[in-house]
Amino acid sequence: ELKVEQNPLFLSMQEGKNYTIYCNYSTTSDRLYWYRQDPGKSLESLFVLLSNGAVKQEGRLMASLDTKARLSTLHITAAVHDLSATYFCAVGRDGGSQGNLIFGKGTKLSVKP
Amino acid sequence: GAVVSQHPSWVICKSGTSVKIECRSLDFQATTMFWYRQFPKQSLMLMATSNEGSKATYEQGVEKDKFLINHASLTLSTLTVTSAHPEDSSFYICSASPPWGLNEQFFGPGTRLTVL
Repeated sequence: ELKVEQNPLFLSMQEGKNYTIYCNYSTTSDRLYWYRQDPGKSLESLFVLLSNGAVKQEGRLMASLDTKARLSTLHITAAVHDLSATYFCAVGRDGGSQGNLIFGKGTKLSVKP
Repeated sequence: GAVVSQHPSWVICKSGTSVKIECRSLDFQATTMFWYRQFPKQSLMLMATSNEGSKATYEQGVEKDKFLINHASLTLSTLTVTSAHPEDSSFYICSASPPWGLNEQFFGPGTRLTVL
C-alpha cells in the first residue's frame, strides 16, 4: 500500500528565510506532484515531477525528486508572506490510472514579517 | 489551460436528503475523473475514480450506495450523496486529466457540503 508522509506538518517562518519541506513515499511511483491550497480553496498545481533527478523551479519555490530514495523536497527561498498556504505532495499509484493520487497530510506554512 | 468546474460551490441541506454535485471539464474531454473528500485541516482522500460509460471504482471504505457516481459524458461526472448525515459534511473536490497532458491533473474549485 502506497503511503505518503510529509514533514513538517506545520511550519512557521520569518520572511527572508529558507526552508525545505520533505515528502517521502513508500512504494515505487512514476510521478510526484506538489500542490498549494489556500484556505477554503481548491488545489493549485505547482510542480509535476516525472523522473529521477528532476528539478523544477518557479519563483521562490524549487522542487526535486529522488526516486531511488523515494523522496521529494520543496525548497522555499527567501520566504514572503504571500507564500503562506498549505502545501501538499501527492504520488501517483504505480500502474494506476493517470490521476490516481495519494496525498500527504500537507504542510501548513505561515510566513511572518 | 484545462479548466474544471464544480457546481454548486457550497450547499446546506437537512439530514436525510440527497445532494448532487456536478463536475465538468470545460475545455477538454476527460474519460476519467476523480472525486476526493477533504475534512477540515486534513488532507485529500480519494473516494472514487469515475469512468465515462462504466461503473465507478471506489476506494476501500467508501460506501458505493451512499456516494453515487455517474460519468454520463466525457465532460460531466456527478457525485450524489444519498441520505446525507452530518458526518458527511466535508469539502468535496473533483479532478480530471486532459488527454494532452496525461500526467497533469486539474482540480475543480470544490464543493462545501454542510448537513444539518
